[in-house]
Amino acid sequence: EPEVTQTPSHQVTQMGQEVILRCVPISNHLYFYWYRQILGQKVEFLVSFYNNEISEKSEIFDDQFSVERPDGSNFTLKIRSTKLEDSAMYFCASTGEAYNEQFFGPGTRLTVL
Amino acid sequence: GENVEQHPSTLSVQEGDSAVIKCTYSDSASNYFPWYKQELGKRPQLIIDIRSNVGEKKDQRIAVTLNKTAKHFSLHITETQPEDSAVYFCAASIRSGGSYIPTFGRGTSLIVHP
Repeated sequence: EPEVTQTPSHQVTQMGQEVILRCVPISNHLYFYWYRQILGQKVEFLVSFYNNEISEKSEIFDDQFSVERPDGSNFTLKIRSTKLEDSAMYFCASTGEAYNEQFFGPGTRLTVL
Repeated sequence: GENVEQHPSTLSVQEGDSAVIKCTYSDSASNYFPWYKQELGKRPQLIIDIRSNVGEKKDQRIAVTLNKTAKHFSLHITETQPEDSAVYFCAASIRSGGSYIPTFGRGTSLIVHP
């Protein structure tokens, strides 16, 4: 069964550094998402992406964040200048059809020192 | 924006008992309510969902009920098994640009004792 994949599984970075988290959505899916989960807390929506543009974004998704679909398979989340509070698990998800189930990737644990 | 409250935060049951987790939401525009199971260190996985035109949905040992008027929905697990132990998240979702945009509850840690 096809799955969403994410790399790396764990990223450690210094405060102020840029990080890029990578996701490969399920191949025929059209809608893509990023979520954040701070350790022990709830999952929080960051952004949705369709047809090469952002559809919806939350208050968390400020100017430090950006998303891109650089080719036909990857979907990336960039954090320009990481802060300590960016430390969290970041999940990518994708959906095949409009208003349908989202499939989550395994997550990337980001640790900002 | 949407606010989702989830109770209880921890639920401990004996194997074979039933477990009920309840969520309330605030935005009447929410019309899709998924439930996710998340095992330690793993990805959230959808276990059941309900849309606002349905009051109840069942899938084997799992059922979800929705009361739109009261803005609450619940997850019911019958005949619990140790492998049901996990964190369960509810979400209330609105439609936007082809997607359901969810607001999650804080999660319920379900512990099923053998």
